[in-house]
Parts: sequence; structure tokens; C-alpha cells
Amino acid sequence: KAGVTQTPRYLIKTRGQQVTLSCSPISGHRSVSWYQQTPGQGLQFLFEYFSETQRNKGNFPGRFSGRQFSNSRSEMNVSTLELGDSALYLCASFPDVGTDTQYFGPGTRLTVL
Amino acid sequence: QKEVEQDPGPLSVPEGAIVSLNCTYSNSAFQYFMWYRQYSRKGPELLMYTYSSGNKEDGRFTAQVDKSSKYISLFIRDSQPSDSATYLCAMSRGGGNKLTFGTGTQLKVEL
Repeated sequence: KAGVTQTPRYLIKTRGQQVTLSCSPISGHRSVSWYQQTPGQGLQFLFEYFSETQRNKGNFPGRFSGRQFSNSRSEMNVSTLELGDSALYLCASFPDVGTDTQYFGPGTRLTVL
Repeated sequence: QKEVEQDPGPLSVPEGAIVSLNCTYSNSAFQYFMWYRQYSRKGPELLMYTYSSGNKEDGRFTAQVDKSSKYISLFIRDSQPSDSATYLCAMSRGGGNKLTFGTGTQLKVEL
């Protein structure tokens, strides 16, 4: 069974640009969550999508947005990039709620210059 | 104050030692408790998953949840150098998969 796929794996952008990251969950999984990981703050929840609907949202500014497609693939977008957005962005795949069958992808490392 | 507190370490132990990792939390609504292992430059890997209070064992790993004390633990028996990684606790309320993580404990198992 293929794992969670995230593309691209590495990305370098400059301040003010925007970026789109992609996540393909495990086949059959309907829930996708996104997290930002930084050395100072650790893993912080961004948002969760289930069956194309945003089910939960973290405390991030509106510059961070996401969506989920009918095939469960998800994208997140960050507009007007700031230096502090440099981080590892992780996607997690779940079949539904409250399950141990959950997997994280390898992440996309975003560097903002 | 963070909802989930975890000692960042680093924690260094000799091979074969029993390792104890802990987290405390403040939100009594948390019902699902997890431990992840994260190697450098990799995504977190789920090790243990527990619903509500109690113990769960899987091979060399034992997870304990004490909801009355808002305290969770992960024990690693017969630790190996391959266990060297960052260990993250996480928890959720249910009603979705929004996980709140501890900051992680860096563990090094030395030969």
C-alpha cells in the first residue's frame, strides 16, 4: 500500500510570494490534516479536511488556506509569504475519526528568503 | 501555558535501559492519546494509540494514560540505538483529527 505522498519535498521562495503544497493520502482515507513544524513551536495544527469539507481549523492567519478534492487529495496554500513561514509542512492521512490507522507524510520543507 | 507539556530533553541512556517519556496536559476534554517517533528529516510515525485511561502494550513499548492526573507515559524496554529519535506525544478531543502535540523529547540510546 502506497504511503502518504507530499509534493514538492523542498521549496525555496521569497517574501511576498505564494506557495501551494500538495498531499495525496492513503488510498481509502477520507481525512487529511495539515501541520506546521518549527524548532521553536513544534507541530502546530493548521486544518483538517474530511470529504472535501473543512472540519477543524487551527489558529493561523487567513494567509493559510486549504482544500480537498473529491479523490481526497488535498492542497494547502500560503499567500504573501513571511520569513516566519519557513517550516516543515506535514500532511497526515486518516480513514475517519479516532483511529490508529493514521499516517504522516514526509513533509515539504519550505524556506522563505 | 501550553495545553500539552513535554520535557524536550535531550535524554541519553545506555543500550538495554528502560526509557520513560512523559507528557502532562491541561485540557480534560482530550480522549485520544498517541505517541509518535520522528527520525531526523522524516515525518512522525505512530507508535502507540490509546483511547481514554489505561495501559497498552506493543512489543517493547508500553503506553499509560492517567486521565485523573492528566498525565501520559511511554515506556521503552530494552532500548536500542535504533530507538534514537524524537518522541512526540499527541492528543485529541475527538470530533475530528485535530491533534495537539507536545514539543517532543529527543532520545539518544548509546552503545
